Amino acid sequence: EVQLVESGGGLIQPGGSLRLSCAASGFTFSNYWLNWVRQVPGEGLVWVARINTDGSGPIYADSVKGRFTISRDNAKNTVSLQMNSLRAEDTALYYCVRGATYYYDDYPSYRDVFDLWGQGTLVTVSS
Amino acid sequence: DIQMTQSPSSLSASVGDRVIITCQASQGIDIYLNWYQQKPGKAPKLLIYDASNLQTGVPSRFSGRGSGTDFTFSITNLQPEDIATYYCQQYDTLPLTFGGGTKVEIK
Repeated sequence: EVQLVESGGGLIQPGGSLRLSCAASGFTFSNYWLNWVRQVPGEGLVWVARINTDGSGPIYADSVKGRFTISRDNAKNTVSLQMNSLRAEDTALYYCVRGATYYYDDYPSYRDVFDLWGQGTLVTVSS
Repeated sequence: DIQMTQSPSSLSASVGDRVIITCQASQGIDIYLNWYQQKPGKAPKLLIYDASNLQTGVPSRFSGRGSGTDFTFSITNLQPEDIATYYCQQYDTLPLTFGGGTKVEIK
């Protein structure tokens, strides 16, 4: 089955650290960009970070830059989000999301079209 | 950052109705606009990519159009299972940004 499964969420105090993981299965993991998108319950979607197929060129939303680090292990089909210096405003459901890859004349075109989502893992930052 | 303004924020329609949602970008984004459906308690699901392309497996009653700054998303023949919140998302320019969402309810 093609899926993404997140883990690692929980309750953490302000200033603390947490590492989220996302395990992929059912597709060739190394052929896709991976993202984290978060959502405060009852509110909208906010993109957090993206990593390229080989782990280069990670990109972050300004709100998390310098505090969060996205990484991936193509041998283990996992992507992670290391979250440091957590704040109350980081409280949200965090989704692991795949970016679509389209092929033109056998050449891949990587897109920020979110075609596969995990079920999310909840992070609560509170004292 | 590119701001994505969706309207309305909520709507109520009858089964069989046609529903239209608009999404306006604060600057031109060509056709780099996607639409997602999020049912209560579930992760979002891609419906439309590149403004008008229907994702594989998505019913044809869903459609999208537009380019530049103005986009529309339509549901023809609204069904009870279409109750959800719908989001637009631009990917022309980083950071990637979403609209605020449109909650669709059955009258």
